[in-house]
Amino acid sequence: DSGVTQTPKHLITATGQRVTLRCSPRSGDLSVYWYQQSLDQGLQFLIQYYNGEERAKGNILERFSAQQFPDLHSELNLSSLELGDSALYFCASSVGLAGYTDTQYFGPGTRLTVL
Amino acid sequence: AQSVSQHNHHVILSEAASLELGCNYSYGGTVNLFWYVQYPGQHLQLLLKYFSGDPLVKGIKGFEAEFIKSKFSFNLRKPSVQWSDTAEYFCAVNARTGGFKTIFGAGTRLFVKA
Repeated sequence: DSGVTQTPKHLITATGQRVTLRCSPRSGDLSVYWYQQSLDQGLQFLIQYYNGEERAKGNILERFSAQQFPDLHSELNLSSLELGDSALYFCASSVGLAGYTDTQYFGPGTRLTVL
Repeated sequence: AQSVSQHNHHVILSEAASLELGCNYSYGGTVNLFWYVQYPGQHLQLLLKYFSGDPLVKGIKGFEAEFIKSKFSFNLRKPSVQWSDTAEYFCAVNARTGGFKTIFGAGTRLFVKA
């Protein structure tokens, strides 16, 4: 158990819908990262927040957005869902701003299926 | 742009065989290097990491990796694999001047036959 929690574990929805994935970092961690893992694209970095502020952006679609709240939990919002958005979405957390050397601790993931 | 290449997508070994998984990255500056493992049904977890110093890094469960700067490589090794090493292995790179993005390789699925 990494200490990072993600809800829900599974999510099944239809194309065009909007969903919200939630992540609670390890106690004391200020940075949260979101990744998408799909069969054809591997593990792709989406976005990182540090203490409520966006710090780095990866291959995140405009239909996706994220935020980190004052209590440090984070939400990833996916809208206008397409079949290709079906994937495992991981959240990770790390201690802080020294992102280069921080070890990231991964949550169990949310499996999103878009029908 | 940074990229990470893992040469083998699937590897099948018998127990007690030696393992070497290749990882090459493309970035000319200073990098931090990681190997993560994902056991079936579990989350990713860190095996080992390199930031500076001795280029031969030892991690958990008998794994080690060697950073060869001239070859832009960070290969993972284990002298004798066990059935419980069956998992997917990811190499990752974070460039110190590339922001906070950690770029992962595509992963290598290792299956160890008992």
